[in-house]
Amino acid sequence: SQTIHQWPATLVQPVGSPLSLECTVEGTSNPNLYWYRQAAGRGLQLLFYSVGIGQISSEVPQNLSASRPQDRQFILSSKKLLLSDSGFYLCASSSGQGTEEKLFFGSGTQLSVL
Amino acid sequence: QQQVKQSPQSLIVQKGGISIINCAYENTAFDYFPWYQQFPGKGPALLIAIRPDVSEKKEGRFTISFNKSAKQFSLHIMDSQPGDSATYFCAASHRFQGAQKLVFGQGTRLTINP
Repeated sequence: SQTIHQWPATLVQPVGSPLSLECTVEGTSNPNLYWYRQAAGRGLQLLFYSVGIGQISSEVPQNLSASRPQDRQFILSSKKLLLSDSGFYLCASSSGQGTEEKLFFGSGTQLSVL
Repeated sequence: QQQVKQSPQSLIVQKGGISIINCAYENTAFDYFPWYQQFPGKGPALLIAIRPDVSEKKEGRFTISFNKSAKQFSLHIMDSQPGDSATYFCAASHRFQGAQKLVFGQGTRLTINP
């Protein structure tokens, strides 16, 4: 089974500072990778997804960007954080193909922008 | 049309009772309906999932009931235990450009009283 590593677990950043969150996946190859954000007490919102190296699709216009420099590495970035970027960020990786694809989530990064 | 509506927002059940969480969707293109369980500070974990070609799926104490004509599905937890206390999310997805795009409900905070 695959393992999804996310770090850091908690991050406090000032407004206007840059951001880099990293996600790496073990135990699978060529997965689809996803970044979700969860606001406090809310559901999960899909931010970005990637079906391959260098291929990034954005779901919502925002202050964030994503990159996939390697097959099992997915990075979420920002040049200047806003207060509204606070939230719980989750990386997800797929297992299986086609109609049998299942998503598994990492343990998340709690980001507080102050 | 992309929304998944989940109810109730919170639920309290006595140990040994049945917990029922309901979800409704509009988009008939959705073809995969998973449920996720999330403990505080952790990422969601896949619990059980169903496809629209079946009306019910059971795994241990967890059952999904699916009503395609009504565009509704529900999670039943039989013999609920204190360890089941968590937030539960329903989701619906369809494949788009090679990726599985999950749309989540707002979540239900379930508390099982001992």
